[in-house]
Order: sequence, then C-alpha cells, then structure tokens
Amino acid sequence: GAVVSQHPSRVICKSGTSVKIECRSLDFQATTMFWYRQFPKKSLMLMATSNEGSKATYEQGVEKDKFLINHASLTLSTLTVTSAHPEDSSFYICSARDSGGRFFGQETQYFGPGTRLLVL
Amino acid sequence: AQSVTQLDSQVPVFEEAPVELRCNYSSSVSVYLFWYVQYPNQGLQLLLKYLSGSTLVKGINGFEAEFNKSQTSFHLRKPSVHISDTAEYFCAVIFNFGNEKLTFGTGTRLTIIP
Repeated sequence: GAVVSQHPSRVICKSGTSVKIECRSLDFQATTMFWYRQFPKKSLMLMATSNEGSKATYEQGVEKDKFLINHASLTLSTLTVTSAHPEDSSFYICSARDSGGRFFGQETQYFGPGTRLLVL
Repeated sequence: AQSVTQLDSQVPVFEEAPVELRCNYSSSVSVYLFWYVQYPNQGLQLLLKYLSGSTLVKGINGFEAEFNKSQTSFHLRKPSVHISDTAEYFCAVIFNFGNEKLTFGTGTRLTIIP
C-alpha cells in the first residue's frame, strides 16, 4: 500500500516550452500533496503544498506563476513548469499524505519516484 | 530558525560492519522525526519514524534510530550493513504539527565497501 506514482519519469524539453508533471496516489486518497525540488547532491526543498480543491501554498521564493499546481482530485496533483529555462532543470519529487491515516498515520508522507527535467 | 543537520555528507563502511548516521535538529518543542532512504534515480522511501513513546524505533531493512531529546538527536544505526544499503539517507523533521511540513537534512551518502 501507500504507493505514489509520477509521470513522466524523465523529460527533455526546449527552452520556452511548458512541461506538466503528474503525481498520483494509487491506493489511497490524499487531500494534501507536496512538491519538492532536489538539486544534485542537495537536500529536498519544499516548493509548495497542494490541497485538493483549493489553491496551492507556495514557499517563499518560489514563483507561483512559473510553477503552476493543480490538485484536481483526491488522487491527482499536477505541476506545470511554464516557459521552462535551463535553470529549471532539476529532479522534481512529489509526496502525498494518506487522508485516512490508514498506513502510518496522517503525518507520514509517501514519495513518488521523481521526475528528472532537463531543459535545453 | 528551525533546521536539521546531518554532519556527515559521506560515510564509507565495510560490508558487515556497523554504521551510525547522525542527525541533529534545532527545536525546543515536540517534533516528529523521520529517516528516508533514496536509491539512485528514485524517490524517497520511509525507513522509520518517531512520533512519541519508546525512544528506540525500529524500521525496515534492519535499521533503527534512537531519539534523544536532551541532545536533540535522532541517529540512525544498523549493526551489520550490506552492499544493498548503498544509498542516500535523509533525516527529516516536522516542527509544526499544524501544517506538517517536512524539513530535510542535507543527506548522508552511505557507501558500502565490499
């Protein structure tokens, strides 16, 4: 149980284009999902908290118009990197909390496998 | 500011030897503590967590961690490591139970030497 998937696993795009990354909770409902960015040999940095049916809450310094987040259902959140530039190249990881707390409690986040974005 | 410190960025250990990965955090209030493992090109997998109760927590793959409130530490240990334990290990803390945001340490790269 408690599986989170991400699609695509890796994507290469041209500078100026937009890229959408999907995060799905496969066997549980998640009212809250989180989006992280991980630089090489660095820790995970929280970008935003995504709540189903409401606007995402962005961390300080994260451009909300550049990183669009949509949490359309209890099992799906999407991150769209708009007008991507080479500096947006990174490893993006999502996580989800089990709303029902069935697995290890609502405080535990389950992580997706990540999406590697390369902007040329 | 609330922070999580993993003092060792890299730890090489011979196979079947014991290992301890250190984690300290800065907070005077109650926290939730986690250890995650990340294998190459993969997401994070929960190893174990501490919420309350017994200060010694056992997790998957033979790992355990001990919460020490006075030293604000949550060190991860394994008595005998395997080649398959080679990975990046992250300590993470929830400082605010209200929003339950995870704050991560910078990670420790564990390399097992055959």
